[in-house]
Amino acid sequence: DTGVSQDPRHKITKRGQNVTFRCDPISEHNRLYWYRQTLGQGPEFLTYFQNEAQLEKSRLLSDRFSAERPKGSFSTLEIQRTEQGDSAMYLCASSRQVDNSPLHFGNGTRLTVT
Amino acid sequence: LAKTTQPISMDSYEGQEVNITCSHNNIATNDYITWYQQFPSQGPRFIIQGYKTKVTNEVASLFIPADRKSSTLSLPRVSLSDTAVYYCLVGDNGNDMRFGAGTRLTVKP
Repeated sequence: DTGVSQDPRHKITKRGQNVTFRCDPISEHNRLYWYRQTLGQGPEFLTYFQNEAQLEKSRLLSDRFSAERPKGSFSTLEIQRTEQGDSAMYLCASSRQVDNSPLHFGNGTRLTVT
Repeated sequence: LAKTTQPISMDSYEGQEVNITCSHNNIATNDYITWYQQFPSQGPRFIIQGYKTKVTNEVASLFIPADRKSSTLSLPRVSLSDTAVYYCLVGDNGNDMRFGAGTRLTVKP
């Protein structure tokens, strides 16, 4: 168990640029989640995959955000035309395909939009 | 989605037992209760999970009364390294669980 890996750990970008983050889940985990966390708040659910299928997206998720998990392994989260309000920690988690299986989180990608 | 309510913050001293209570009045029959710990600049880490009565592991205990409308995370003999934010979540599936603001525990020497 090598844990959930996220890349990069930090990203600074200018407003209007596109950014992409990568998440590598624990290898035997079928489920993958993306969250966003701002200072002083708990993680906010963004989207969820079971294998390669994206099963749920938060209604709060702007259509500038898109996530993929093409082969049911790693996932990418892209933000187009970034805004300063997108500055946050983006967390990825994975879990087994078993009800009540705990989430295993990576250490996140911290995005700063200037 | 079941909503949870926790104290915003708590202070304790090294060596004391800390109990953090979470209210979840609209918990559903299939929902489990899961607690996570988060340190600054890290992702949340699973601590303990339970459905009813009491669960204990090497890190903590979780007490759940019969009506399941609340739960209490108990951390025995805390140390400075237990200073963190603790989140209580309820749900039967990862995509059902939503984080609140959590409880910020500060352990003092």
